[in-house]
Amino acid sequence: DAGVTQSPTHLIKTRGQQVTLRCSPKSGHDTVSWYQQALGQGPQFIFQYYEEEERQRGNFPDRFSGHQFPNYSSELNVNALLLGDSALYLCASSLRGQLYEQYFGPGTRLTVT
Amino acid sequence: GDSVTQMEGPVTLSEEAFLTINCTYTATGYPSLFWYVQYPGEGLQLLLKATKADDKGSNKGFEATYRKETTSFHLEKGSVQVSDSAVYFCALIGRTGGFKTIFGAGTRLFVKA
Repeated sequence: DAGVTQSPTHLIKTRGQQVTLRCSPKSGHDTVSWYQQALGQGPQFIFQYYEEEERQRGNFPDRFSGHQFPNYSSELNVNALLLGDSALYLCASSLRGQLYEQYFGPGTRLTVT
Repeated sequence: GDSVTQMEGPVTLSEEAFLTINCTYTATGYPSLFWYVQYPGEGLQLLLKATKADDKGSNKGFEATYRKETTSFHLEKGSVQVSDSAVYFCALIGRTGGFKTIFGAGTRLFVKA
């Protein structure tokens, strides 16, 4: 049983560029949440997707957007990258009725230069 | 808004020592409380949880008790091993504002042989 997978593992971008990160949830899960973890900090909630719609959103600007596909996989898009967007981006999946049981992927390390 | 405060690290212990990592929270009502662990190069793993006051979560020798009087959820282990070296995050999901997980900043634990 595959767990949560994320791609790519590492990414280097330049300020002002756009980036897309991808997440495949654990088999059987239908809800995906995205988090930003800056170096030495705890994860910060970005948003959550269920039934292909954004259901919850944290305190992040509109430059951060997402999408969920019919197979429950998800993308995180960040436009107009800033140096401060450099972080580990974590995806977590869960069942809609069991949101306390989140399974995290290994993350995508984004470096903005 | 909801928040989690945990003791700063790093915490350095010798093998078989007793571990306590303090965690306190601020939230409206009675949130659900969690401890996650992040091993080097890996994603977060749920270690234990407690969903109501006086509940005790336990797993792999770790324990934490939900104390509403002191708004605390301290993590303890009677005898740590080198393999317990990791970063530990205290987190909550509040009763208001949707199922957003709020994380503390993390506490790094080093266990020496």
